Amino acid sequence: ETGVTQTPRHLVMGMTNKKSLKCEQHLGHNAMYWYKQSAKKPLELMFVYSLEERVENNSVPSRFSPECPNSSHLFLHLHTLQPEDSALYLCASSQDKRGLAGGEQFFGPGTRLTVL
Amino acid sequence: LAKTTQPISMDSYEGQEVNITCSHNNIATNDYITWYQQFPSQGPRFIIQGYKTKVTNEVASLFIPADRKSSTLSLPRVSLSDTAVYYCLVGGAYSGAGSYQLTFGKGTKLSVIP
Repeated sequence: ETGVTQTPRHLVMGMTNKKSLKCEQHLGHNAMYWYKQSAKKPLELMFVYSLEERVENNSVPSRFSPECPNSSHLFLHLHTLQPEDSALYLCASSQDKRGLAGGEQFFGPGTRLTVL
Repeated sequence: LAKTTQPISMDSYEGQEVNITCSHNNIATNDYITWYQQFPSQGPRFIIQGYKTKVTNEVASLFIPADRKSSTLSLPRVSLSDTAVYYCLVGGAYSGAGSYQLTFGKGTKLSVIP
């Protein structure tokens, strides 16, 4: 138990569906992250929110839309996904020092997404 | 953007010391180096972080040479429960352009043999 929870743990969706992934951290951290982990590929950073402001967007397709309503919650809204978007989506949080992100990150268990 | 290279896999016997090296030739001046461990069906777990020279904690040591173009994670006396994938992460310093570049390596699958 890392203090970061993700729901749902598994999700199967069609290409025309709209769904959302939820992440919650109970650690009092000020930064949250979304990562994508595909088979045989390294972890890819998708989005970073620091102090609820998005500070990183690694050229992620617009069919992925993040939302961070407060420092404890992070969402990833999904719409019109493609089969190649099937992957493990991981959320993480950290307490960032001034000018430095990606300090000790605490990861959730991930959501295994399958797009049919 | 710092690119990292790690061995794909390593095998070790129980009780041995294991050293996993990560190459990051174009590491930026303010980038940190962090190592994570990941078990199947779980998110990665932080092991250790450093900037230069040597860092040690209760589970591992991290060696970083003066040029910082590589780093070595050292696990003393591994056990079967250390079988996992180990990732090196480079980056984190705010680039000043609204961006924190964080680049994970492809990971090293460590198998500990009884």
